[in-house]
Amino acid sequence: DAGITQSPRHKVTETGTPVTLRCHQTENHRYMYWYRQDPGHGLRLIHYSYGVKDTDKGEVSDGYSVSRSKTEDFLLTLESATSSQTSVYFCAISDLPNTGELFFGEGSRLTVL
Amino acid sequence: GQQVMQIPQYQHVQEGEDFTTYCNSSTTLSNIQWYKQRPGGHPVFLIQLVKSGEVKKQKRLTFQFGEAKKNSSLHITATQTTDVGTYFCAGHSGNTGKLIFGQGTTLQVKP
Repeated sequence: DAGITQSPRHKVTETGTPVTLRCHQTENHRYMYWYRQDPGHGLRLIHYSYGVKDTDKGEVSDGYSVSRSKTEDFLLTLESATSSQTSVYFCAISDLPNTGELFFGEGSRLTVL
Repeated sequence: GQQVMQIPQYQHVQEGEDFTTYCNSSTTLSNIQWYKQRPGGHPVFLIQLVKSGEVKKQKRLTFQFGEAKKNSSLHITATQTTDVGTYFCAGHSGNTGKLIFGQGTTLQVKP
């Protein structure tokens, strides 16, 4: 399995609190992604990064920010969590520009009460 | 923006029956990828198609990429209970690293 870990794996928080999810890779891949998965919506891209300090928005970026200060870490921050952000969040890495195959982490389940 | 639609959303089949899921993009894709996610797990890469009209096979799975590079399909012959899961297509449009997923098709197989 690709060396990719997400933390925390589970989190319960209250509306209005800030939350940060961390994705850590040991593969030295340039591309990293954050997706959220909700029933009926599949995987929706939040943000992705194509290098240190290089990020771009995805389909559902409102309410989320990201940072990538070093190759191995990609942080997803919810500045003020809302109940609509209750979801399973997946981080993924890609070896673009090679095969472009995505390797996913195990997911982080976030519940916002 | 780019949209990828996938149908059907759910499919229940008897073991041994065939199964097909279809993927359509609102824009021309540079490539299409397919992933499988087992219940409770994370998506796992199956295959990537790049060329117009490309067909690839993996044992009982057949993947096709349309001539216009806007649609794709995954066909499973003689389903088995191990095929249970959600199948996603995903496409790159242009030269960005942005990979957009379809909504997925969840396959249930009755033994």
